[in-house]
Amino acid sequence: GQSLEQPSEVTAVEGAIVQINCTYQTSGFYGLSWYQQHDGGAPTFLSYNGLDGLEETGRFSSFLSRSDSYGYLLLQELQMKDSASYFCAVRGWSGYSTLTFGKGTMLLVSP
Amino acid sequence: DGGITQSPKYLFRKEGQNVTLSCEQNLNHDAMYWYRQDPGQGLRLIYYSQIVNDFQKGDIAEGYSVSREKKESFPLTVTSAQKNPTAFYLCASSPPPYNEQFFGPGTRLTVL
Repeated sequence: GQSLEQPSEVTAVEGAIVQINCTYQTSGFYGLSWYQQHDGGAPTFLSYNGLDGLEETGRFSSFLSRSDSYGYLLLQELQMKDSASYFCAVRGWSGYSTLTFGKGTMLLVSP
Repeated sequence: DGGITQSPKYLFRKEGQNVTLSCEQNLNHDAMYWYRQDPGQGLRLIYYSQIVNDFQKGDIAEGYSVSREKKESFPLTVTSAQKNPTAFYLCASSPPPYNEQFFGPGTRLTVL
């Protein structure tokens, strides 16, 4: 099976940088994804790491280290609208098109 | 505009009744998924379908059923056998290579 661990809550102030970590246990997987979900809304895709290293998309970056079974999402220049839940997810080898999600990290951005 | 629609947004049912949640997509994606989300929890996979007329159980399929008669549609039936059906239900679809899933707005089901 697959399991993912991420912090339940992170707080930060506007303009700051925050890192949300994700550690996983899986027998094999294709890659690590990140999704954002505002309260009551649908998850939206942020990034995917199929290879080790850093992927950058605007203010958001994501990192993967397969050897450490670890990844993170880095959010820079935080804005109030970034207050949301962030989920990491792995696409495993079994059920190759399916994702297993972590329980999510609620990010609270204050003025 | 291409996307995924789920209806209704809120649904109330009495205990013991079956209820069907609708999911339609016009993205031309072969793969579709149903997830359940409980408060403060991640998404748990109920069923998925990678092609028309075929579907597979996810991690929590008990008490649920699906059909995939058309590429665009993947309805989910919550049966009376589901012990705790009150939850937020999300439908998603994905194109190859399945690195990104697109989600519908969700249906919040409350069983009274």
